[in-house]
Amino acid sequence: NAGVTQTPKFQVLKTGQSMTLQCAQDMNHEYMSWYRQDPGMGLRLIHYSVGAGITDQGEVPNGYNVSRSTTEDFPLRLLSAAPSQTSVYFCASSLTAGHPETQYFGPGTRLLVL
Amino acid sequence: RKEVEQDPGPFNVPEGATVAFNCTYSNSASQSFFWYRQDCRKEPKLLMSVYSSGNEDGRFTAQLNRASQYISLLIRDSKLSDSATYLCVAPGGSASKIIFGSGTRLSIRP
Repeated sequence: NAGVTQTPKFQVLKTGQSMTLQCAQDMNHEYMSWYRQDPGMGLRLIHYSVGAGITDQGEVPNGYNVSRSTTEDFPLRLLSAAPSQTSVYFCASSLTAGHPETQYFGPGTRLLVL
Repeated sequence: RKEVEQDPGPFNVPEGATVAFNCTYSNSASQSFFWYRQDCRKEPKLLMSVYSSGNEDGRFTAQLNRASQYISLLIRDSKLSDSATYLCVAPGGSASKIIFGSGTRLSIRP
């Protein structure tokens, strides 16, 4: 049982490049989400999904796309990277949205956009 | 107004002290609240849930004040290992969102 895995751990991009951050969980959790964490800003919700085929926007969705074709995977796409997207990105999953006490986080992806 | 707000700190207290911090929330319909702990450069991990009747786990006590819409975390007999950032969590405007506060940084000195 690996929990929540994220790849890559670190990434450097140039402005305008695109990339996909991978997230997978093996706990059969319905709810998955992406957060970004910047100094002094806490965790801000980017996008979330309450189940396969269903996604919705969080607090800061601009510049990011998501899809949820399977229960296990929830990739985050940066369409055209900008320096403002330099951050640490955390993926999380929980049994359902109504049970954040079951939420587990991945180890994070550190992204630098030059 | 942000949905969940915390005093960012830092709180710098000596070992053995008692420290408390609060977190305010804006969604009066929220039913469940939680405290997470995050160590430097690590992912957040669940510390404890906050029930209407309060919740105690060893040196940690969490309480909910619905009238004033805040939750609190009290740490007694603080240890060096308690140094971390503490994040409060509440459901957002829709039940499908889990919203984090910006975190309170705690530093315990010898």
